Amino acid sequence: EVQLVQSGAELKKPGESLRISCEGSGYNFTTYWITWVRQMPGKGLEWIGRIDPSDSYTNYSPSFHRHVTMSVDKSISTAYLQWGSLKASDTAMYYCARLLTPGFNWFDPWGQGTLVTVSS
Amino acid sequence: DIQMTQSPSSVSASVGDRVTITCRASQSISSWLAWYQQKPGKAPNLLIYAASTLQSGVPSRFSGSGSGTDFTLTITSLQPEDFATYYCQQANSFPPTFGGGTKVEIK
Repeated sequence: EVQLVQSGAELKKPGESLRISCEGSGYNFTTYWITWVRQMPGKGLEWIGRIDPSDSYTNYSPSFHRHVTMSVDKSISTAYLQWGSLKASDTAMYYCARLLTPGFNWFDPWGQGTLVTVSS
Repeated sequence: DIQMTQSPSSVSASVGDRVTITCRASQSISSWLAWYQQKPGKAPNLLIYAASTLQSGVPSRFSGSGSGTDFTLTITSLQPEDFATYYCQQANSFPPTFGGGTKVEIK
């Protein structure tokens, strides 16, 4: 079974750093790009960016570029999303998802989500 | 960025009803459209891609149509497990963008 399992919920203070993870299993991790999506409380879905696990090549949405960083460790089939300095406005659920088919931006499956809360 | 506009933002329906949700792109996206279902507290789930291709395991009461700028998701004979929020997403241009969502509620 193809599966993405994300790290647990986080409670952080403004200005702190954070890295959340997304571990893939049941498929060749380096074949399919991983994408990240944000969902703020009670709101819709926003595409953050995508990373090619084979060579760590990335594309970022202009709305998120310079505020988050995506990376992978292909030796452990894990993708990461990290912040250097969190803001209260980063409070949201973050999902990772795999491309359904290499080269096409259809997202399936999805991880279960990681809730990030930033509060002083 | 391509803007995706869904309507209605919410709809009340009964079990057995036919429900149609529309999605309009701010420019032509050919058939580069997907539909997702999201239940409360859960991750989105891909229902349809390439405007009309049903994802494996998705019930046949779900169907998608359209091309260019106007698309529809139809649920024939609504079931209790279909009450959820539905999102469209364009995959034609960078960055991928989602519609604002349509919540299907119990009447």
